[in-house]
Amino acid sequence: GEDVEQSLFLSVREGDSSVINCTYTDSSSTYLYWYKQEPGAGLQLLTYIFSNMDMKQDQRLTVLLNKKDKHLSLRIADTQTGDSAIYFCAVLNNQAGTALIFGKGTTLSVSS
Amino acid sequence: DAMVIQNPRYQVTQFGKPVTLSCSQTLNHNVMYWYQQKSSQAPKLLFHYYDKDFNNEADTPDNFQSRRPNTSFCFLDIRSPGLGDAAMYLCATSRDTGGGYEQYFGPGTRLTVT
Repeated sequence: GEDVEQSLFLSVREGDSSVINCTYTDSSSTYLYWYKQEPGAGLQLLTYIFSNMDMKQDQRLTVLLNKKDKHLSLRIADTQTGDSAIYFCAVLNNQAGTALIFGKGTTLSVSS
Repeated sequence: DAMVIQNPRYQVTQFGKPVTLSCSQTLNHNVMYWYQQKSSQAPKLLFHYYDKDFNNEADTPDNFQSRRPNTSFCFLDIRSPGLGDAAMYLCATSRDTGGGYEQYFGPGTRLTVT
């Protein structure tokens, strides 16, 4: 089945850009998501990209999709301390049902 | 204006003692999901309801059951909790299934099994 991998930790300084990477195995994945989880809170959808797109930008967030390498990244520009959280990559194969397949999450730590 | 509410936020149960976790939603969404998230692991879908239709994931243990008495509420029943069932349980809702429909998550219930 689908496997989604992320690096576990990323540490950046306030004002720098953060890049969180994700790889997946199922080339049939049609939707690819980034979720944010703050301590004690549920998952919050940040953005998603459809598989026929290479890039999507939304304010400080830029998502890049390399379908050939099955690689997804999330870039956060001008990272703030409030961006400290766990970021989950998730993929969906629309033909295979409704299950979102999540990675284990990347803990982003932003220091001032 | 909480949209997906989970109660309780923290639940302690004894090994083998049945426990029920609750989820309610104010979004009037058709679909409600239950995910299990163990420590430092990815959330994993257990099952979902589309209206009254129950859809179980193939590898969800029989120990986990669910009920959806109406649109707003969905319950997760663990019949005989084992130590391995200690986890965060996340409820989510969406208007419909499929990639274009955002899943809205509740804050989760952290289950401890003693």
